[in-house]
Amino acid sequence: GAVVSQHPSRVICKSGTSVKIECRSLDFQATTMFWYRQFPKQSLMLMATSNEGSKATYEQGVEKDKFLINHASLTLSTLTVTSAHPEDSSFYICSARSQGDTEAFFGQGTRLTVV
Amino acid sequence: DQQVKQNSPSLSVQEGRISILNCDYTNSMFDYFLWYKKYPAEGPTFLISISSIKDKNEDGRFTVFLNKSAKHLSLHIVPSQPGDSAVYFCAASEYGNKLVFGAGTILRVKS
Repeated sequence: GAVVSQHPSRVICKSGTSVKIECRSLDFQATTMFWYRQFPKQSLMLMATSNEGSKATYEQGVEKDKFLINHASLTLSTLTVTSAHPEDSSFYICSARSQGDTEAFFGQGTRLTVV
Repeated sequence: DQQVKQNSPSLSVQEGRISILNCDYTNSMFDYFLWYKKYPAEGPTFLISISSIKDKNEDGRFTVFLNKSAKHLSLHIVPSQPGDSAVYFCAASEYGNKLVFGAGTILRVKS
């Protein structure tokens, strides 16, 4: 299957700081990228969908000013958690899909801990 | 409103036997279904998928069955192996749009 690389895999930051998570499609053009969040023992919750070159579409209840998503190229999308708080601590996962494909491939995930 | 439901939080199976994981959905517009396997602190790994125009898809030890009238799909793993122990997520999409995930089922295969 296609490869999606997510970085960093683990990050600890102080409250009030911002953290950027990168998601790269290594061997295909990701026209659409999805960002998910997973709380312990819960399912993957979609946060937002981004199409290359367009503004991201956020799911209800997700603060777009807090979770900034940039999808400036066909191989890279970034999620920036701004002014992080301990309640933002979670496992964040990206997935990427090519135009016309129904299957999405996932990154390895990022464990964010805000202290 | 949960559009994709996996009502069994966990399943325990003996090595070599069949594992059957179930998934129900409510949105009749879903036209593509996928199963993912996930280990702790890792991203999901795609296992197998099925289009709504089919009722069965097989790939090695994994078979997915779709019953559209019942809005139900299942994943069969035969024979089950200890390495299959993981969390399995069912997901559905509508016309290639965002994937909606179920809550997941923890599969434990005992040797």
